[in-house]
Amino acid sequence: GESVGLHLPTLSVQEGDNSIINCAYSNSASDYFIWYKQESGKGPQFIIDIRSNMDKRQGQRVTVLLNKTVKHLSLQIAATQPGDSAVYFCAEGKAGTALIFGKGTTLSVSS
Amino acid sequence: KAGVTQTPRYLIKTRGQQVTLSCSPISGHRSVSWYQQTPGQGLQFLFEYFSETQRNKGNFPGRFSGRQFSNSRSEMNVSTLELGDSALYLCASSLVQTNTGELFFGEGSRLTVL
Repeated sequence: GESVGLHLPTLSVQEGDNSIINCAYSNSASDYFIWYKQESGKGPQFIIDIRSNMDKRQGQRVTVLLNKTVKHLSLQIAATQPGDSAVYFCAEGKAGTALIFGKGTTLSVSS
Repeated sequence: KAGVTQTPRYLIKTRGQQVTLSCSPISGHRSVSWYQQTPGQGLQFLFEYFSETQRNKGNFPGRFSGRQFSNSRSEMNVSTLELGDSALYLCASSLVQTNTGELFFGEGSRLTVL
């Protein structure tokens, strides 16, 4: 798999590889963190979230890791497929306030 | 269950005009948020409505306004359009006021200002 240490606007992987998309967040008081996927011509779609009292959460083929010490969030996608090609956004939120989105990462999967 | 519906999907306006965008949330959802998406700035929060009241507001000029009706449908208005207002305007709904992060987005209204 391929990983990036800092946020990069684009990530290209081969089908079947594992992908890691990183995100730095700004507010240490945020209660939860979310990953959204946006396909071309569509609105963002919720993938997975994690609360601030957790450091890892797994979904179907996806895992989100939270490192509060360095205010870092990552999304791992296992066995990346062409259908995973999209722009991925991280977002942070706190109860009663609006979600704040980070810069997106465009994931391109080639077969 | 129908998703979030935004109308119109595409529109072209000229500088100085005004525009109204509409959003119908998922049935039963009472919270509606609006975001502006541009290539340079990404997704920026405009405002959030819950039970017809504006609960949160982003850092946009007063030319941007919105409202929510008793059936939870929402509209946003941009007056005196500027070239920089060209963007994809996204509406998102949730069951309750944002506190879990799971927003359901529509496909957006793409506004082009000439």
